[in-house]
Amino acid sequence: SYELTQPPSVSVSPGQTARITCSGDALPKQYAYWYQQKPGQAPVLVIYKDSERPSGIPERFSGSSSGTTVTLTISGVQAEDEADYYCQSADSSGTYRGVVFGGGTKLTVL
Amino acid sequence: EVQLVESGGGLVQPGGSLRLSCIASGFTFSSYWMSWVRQAPGKGLEWVANIKEDGSEKYYVDSVKGRFTISRDNAKNSLYLQMNSLRAEDTAVYYCARGVGNSGPFYYYYMDVWGKGTTVTVSS
Repeated sequence: SYELTQPPSVSVSPGQTARITCSGDALPKQYAYWYQQKPGQAPVLVIYKDSERPSGIPERFSGSSSGTTVTLTISGVQAEDEADYYCQSADSSGTYRGVVFGGGTKLTVL
Repeated sequence: EVQLVESGGGLVQPGGSLRLSCIASGFTFSSYWMSWVRQAPGKGLEWVANIKEDGSEKYYVDSVKGRFTISRDNAKNSLYLQMNSLRAEDTAVYYCARGVGNSGPFYYYYMDVWGKGTTVTVSS
């Protein structure tokens, strides 16, 4: 298996843009996915296949990919966006089909 | 409404066993991969296991191979996780999640619907 690396924390002021990165050697060959998790709640999918947004997710959430790094961007951050964010990718080797998560990034809205 | 509801968590001694269940509603259960994902107290998400729509393929994280077994009953819209030889490090909230993807050569996989989780505590 391989690893996905995220910064432990990111801080932004309300209305600013937050960027959370995720790095991994397999990311040029695999899609990335992003989940938001608020305290005491289950994760929620906010971005799939690098840059697609599920229905019901605000337009201020966007994703991008460049080489071995993917980025979750939250434009015009709101207080309600304060949460932990996890990137995820598929992990395959031969016939093995697994899943890997990044360590998570805590977004603080100042 | 699409919903996943986990049950079966609790306190168990090291070396003991526990069986988690997840009941799905609001979608065609037999058409989706399903997953278990756990989160230890204060830690990040860790994928545990996946199972294909018809149960013919199952995959596990290395740390649970040989101890945990994922299974499903499509007639009952139910997903299970049999956990044996439990260790303190298995203590976590266990989430059931609906999977989207395939296991072919262009493998991709993600989880678009999650339950609220059930708590497993392994302690003497």
